[in-house]
Amino acid sequence: GAGVSQSPRYKVAKRGQDVALRCDPISGHVSLFWYQQALGQGPEFLTYFQNEAQLDKSGLPSDRFFAERPEGSVSTLKIQRTQQEDSAVYLCASSFGAGAGYTFGSGTRLTVV
Amino acid sequence: DQQVKQNSPSLSVQEGRISILNCDYTNSMFDYFLWYKKYPAEGPTFLISISSIKDKNEDGRFTVFLNKSAKHLSLHIVPSQPGDSAVYFCAARRIYGGSQGNLIFGKGTKLSVKP
Repeated sequence: GAGVSQSPRYKVAKRGQDVALRCDPISGHVSLFWYQQALGQGPEFLTYFQNEAQLDKSGLPSDRFFAERPEGSVSTLKIQRTQQEDSAVYLCASSFGAGAGYTFGSGTRLTVV
Repeated sequence: DQQVKQNSPSLSVQEGRISILNCDYTNSMFDYFLWYKKYPAEGPTFLISISSIKDKNEDGRFTVFLNKSAKHLSLHIVPSQPGDSAVYFCAARRIYGGSQGNLIFGKGTKLSVKP
């Protein structure tokens, strides 16, 4: 597609519920990143894929967070047993290479109640 | 510990004047610096970048200056326009460790350009 597409745009989850957030990167983009942006903060790195390989997951805040990109295109960020502190905007970005410019999606705003 | 700091949460300037947004960093391993612009309910949009081997990069109304000895960079917008009103994020890329492409962001500065 023309840009990075994320769905859903908004998600309200009850505490303890599992959620799955989807990212459709720009076609042909090798690198894919997930970021978490809390209110009033800058985006914080979560994890990075190069094709289907997850090369860096050092930013994932706990083992409740899991990301995959099985065929090297679409990626899913899964959060198990959501907590209130997980409430944030989750941004996906893709690029042609790790050193190339990033294109961000519009994000998914997750609210845990 | 914040490695990229934007100490001014907000800035207000008059249309036609210069906007100067500042950013400080602590990690001397950063090799590339970027500025992103963000409108509400949208993702950040790349604006301009600079390599650590340069001290200035210009693109139209936007110029980024890098002072490595002071670990400081700034974004100048001249002349400022009402459409420039947005949140501006400074970001830096790490050379070693983890992902080479990973960006570390500041907290952002909200720019308001008044007509």
